[in-house]
Amino acid sequence: DAGITQSPRYKITETGRQVTLMCHQTWSHSYMFWYRQDLGHGLRLIYYSAAADITDKGEVPDGYVVSRSKTENFPLTLESATRSQTSVYFCASSENDLGTQYFGPGTRLLVL
Amino acid sequence: AQSVSQHNHHVILSEAASLELGCNYSYGGTVNLFWYVQYPGQHLQLLLKYFSGDPLVKGIKGFEAEFIKSKFSFNLRKPSVQWSDTAEYFCAVNEDTGNQFYFGTGTSLTVIP
Repeated sequence: DAGITQSPRYKITETGRQVTLMCHQTWSHSYMFWYRQDLGHGLRLIYYSAAADITDKGEVPDGYVVSRSKTENFPLTLESATRSQTSVYFCASSENDLGTQYFGPGTRLLVL
Repeated sequence: AQSVSQHNHHVILSEAASLELGCNYSYGGTVNLFWYVQYPGQHLQLLLKYFSGDPLVKGIKGFEAEFIKSKFSFNLRKPSVQWSDTAEYFCAVNEDTGNQFYFGTGTSLTVIP
């Protein structure tokens, strides 16, 4: 039972490059979420998705793009990475909008 | 927008000491409340949650939390901590009318053997 996985686990990139972080869940959960975790800010929601082809902005969406063509995948793209996007990114999924969220292991992204 | 406050940023305790971590939120309506734990190098895991009913909620590993609606609080407690409780603890709130979860900034707990 793989649960929820993220890839890559670690990524170093340069300013201006496009980066895509992958998230995959095997539970067929309807809802999926992307958070970034930064010191002093806790977790902040970037985007979420209620179902395939349905996405919505969270608290800090600027500079990020998401898609959800399949229920099990929810990739997060940084179209032109900036140093301020250096962070740890967590993907999560839940059965419904009020339910427990299950988190992936995180992706540590460093933008030079 | 909802705000979630965790006033204790860093807590250091000796083993067997009692723990209480504060969590306050700002939304005046119906909320669902969560405590997550993140052990060093690991992802977030659910400790406990409150949706409705008994305001005293018991979670895994001996943790409990009490929802006090009048104080907009959901404090986490454990009567006797262990070294293995060393971790980052996050309070989270989900408004009953929305899809978004709001997390606090986290409390880092270090338990000294």
